[in-house]
Amino acid sequence: DQQVKQNSPSLSVQEGRISILNCDYTNSMFDYFLWYKKYPAEGPTFLISISSIKDKNEDGRFTVFLNKSAKHLSLHIVPSQPGDSAVYFCAASRPGTYKYIFGTGTRLKVLA
Amino acid sequence: DAGITQSPRHKVTETGTPVTLRCHQTENHRYMYWYRQDPGHGLRLIHYSYGVKDTDKGEVSDGYSVSRSKTEDFLLTLESATSSQTSVYFCAISPTFRSDEQFFGPGTRLTVL
Repeated sequence: DQQVKQNSPSLSVQEGRISILNCDYTNSMFDYFLWYKKYPAEGPTFLISISSIKDKNEDGRFTVFLNKSAKHLSLHIVPSQPGDSAVYFCAASRPGTYKYIFGTGTRLKVLA
Repeated sequence: DAGITQSPRHKVTETGTPVTLRCHQTENHRYMYWYRQDPGHGLRLIHYSYGVKDTDKGEVSDGYSVSRSKTEDFLLTLESATSSQTSVYFCAISPTFRSDEQFFGPGTRLTVL
């Protein structure tokens, strides 16, 4: 049972445009969410996080939106750059646990 | 970059043989994790450690054991490797409980024939 879902395995976007990556979750107990970026042959690197007490968090070109009622979060990248081409994972955790549940990832390709 | 290394980086082994993967950190972080990454499954937690000699199971712990005898090393052992354990294995570390981020190692690609 996949508690964190990324239903789009891939996404292509033109350079300079907005990239929107989506993530859905099923467990209403999740209260902390993260996005990671992964390049080939490297480990994932942290990108941005959001707590359930917020509905938006920004860091430069990256913004994460959280819709708790819909159990949905999205990552916006504006403007998209070719160096953003990577696999993006969302992850979620519940209170009182060290564990993160990861989604299956979305491969973003930014076309020059 | 956080000081975290994994060894070996690549390994090919045969079904039924024991395999040990090593994760070494120089950051003195308390929490260490082992994940596997497979197509269609993303990253799944195998085991984690919240201190020396303190470990617990993750989502997919069957067939794996871990040990942490000192802060800097976290070992993942496949007692008798199976083809279903062919995967890319990532170690991660974090400094605090529910840290804002986990720092991942470069990964170990394991192939079980």
